[in-house]
Amino acid sequence: KQEVTQIPAALSVPEGENLVLNCSFTDSAIYNLQWFRQDPGKGLTSLLLIQSSQREQTSGRLNASLDKSSGRSTLYIAASQPGDSATYLCAVSPSPSGYNQGGKLIFGQGTELSVKP
Amino acid sequence: DVKVTQSSRYLVKRTGEKVFLECVQDMDHENMFWYRQDPGLGLRLIYFSYDVKMKEKGDIPEGYSVSREKKERFSLILESASTNQTSMYLCASSLFAGSGNTIYFGEGSWLTVV
Repeated sequence: KQEVTQIPAALSVPEGENLVLNCSFTDSAIYNLQWFRQDPGKGLTSLLLIQSSQREQTSGRLNASLDKSSGRSTLYIAASQPGDSATYLCAVSPSPSGYNQGGKLIFGQGTELSVKP
Repeated sequence: DVKVTQSSRYLVKRTGEKVFLECVQDMDHENMFWYRQDPGLGLRLIYFSYDVKMKEKGDIPEGYSVSREKKERFSLILESASTNQTSMYLCASSLFAGSGNTIYFGEGSWLTVV
């Protein structure tokens, strides 16, 4: 059974610091991996999606990498800002075994990030 | 922009009541999903639907049912609400499987069962 783990559960950094959030998964047979951001009391916003054939994706100050063989992904945030404070979740999509698996995601517990001014 | 709208943000219901949570998406997505999110347990899939009138059980379907009569609307039904169903419920949608498309979430519905 696929399990997704995110360590640490919480992280506090000063503004301007570069940081890395970690995500690991137990079964390398994944279709894709997504990173999400969740603000308190709100829904999830997709940040980056990495297909299983890709190694990384970039969007602005964010860079996500994927190493399927080792079951790991990292989300790198450059020059962190207080506005980056949120919970970051990673989720994997199992490899399709039927005509529909898209969106059937398995989530980690998230890392709660606090960026101090 | 894709919009997934959950009609009720905050609800308080009594034990035993029948509860309807409504979700509408405006991007003609085939897939729609209901998750619940609980502290310490993360997000868990309740049900998903890949077409009108089609549904599949997720990881925790017990005590829930769903309805998808139109492509844009996916309803979650709690047949007889119980206190252990107090949670945040998140609806999501995505394009059809196989494309590895991004999934879009609504703002969530906070349900308290007393």
